Amino acid sequence: DAKTTQPPSMDCAEGRAANLPCNHSTISGNEYVYWYRQIHSQGPQYIIHGLKNNETNEMASLIITEDRKSSTLILPHATLRDTAVYYCIASPPVYQLIWGAGTKLIIKP
Amino acid sequence: GAVVSQHPSWVICKSGTSVKIECRSLDFQATTMFWYRQFPKQSLMLMATSNEGSKATYEQGVEKDKFLINHASLTLSTLTVTSAHPEDSSFYICSARDPGTPNQHFGDGTRLSIL
Repeated sequence: DAKTTQPPSMDCAEGRAANLPCNHSTISGNEYVYWYRQIHSQGPQYIIHGLKNNETNEMASLIITEDRKSSTLILPHATLRDTAVYYCIASPPVYQLIWGAGTKLIIKP
Repeated sequence: GAVVSQHPSWVICKSGTSVKIECRSLDFQATTMFWYRQFPKQSLMLMATSNEGSKATYEQGVEKDKFLINHASLTLSTLTVTSAHPEDSSFYICSARDPGTPNQHFGDGTRLSIL
């Protein structure tokens, strides 16, 4: 079973920041938090990952709480092309990923 | 960035046919690749872990004689669906672990339809 819980769906207005929450209350000390997204009928796309510190790249920011029991993925300026299912996964770095149901994010014009 | 190429992207076959799907890491060597299956409106389900030069490790409930995996080189893993039947119709996705990072990089998937 997946070790993370996410809301099944969310809406966000185009141009606004999309904040996607994830709970991983049983995360172990050696497990990273990964975020991937899957646009319809495509393979998953890596977004970002982190261990303890907040991370930022060209796609998104990842905010991890100090106790590491939850995190938030932030897409700073959502576009229609960001409509996808977003998966939050907690896993050791060389282990297979266990996929939950994810959050279906719909960006509205 | 790292790229994983999966081929073919879609295939339609008659029942009883065997189908081979290729997964290539284009700009890095992957000692470990993963094969997933995804049914409509469901999440990815891991089928097997493919290790270069050794036998694949299959998840519980996945028939190893049905889904043959070969990882003969550091850049290529193949999944062969033997004697495919309509219930094998699905979206098959491979990924490769980038040894320089904790990430996996995914192919674009193969949509398999068995008539």
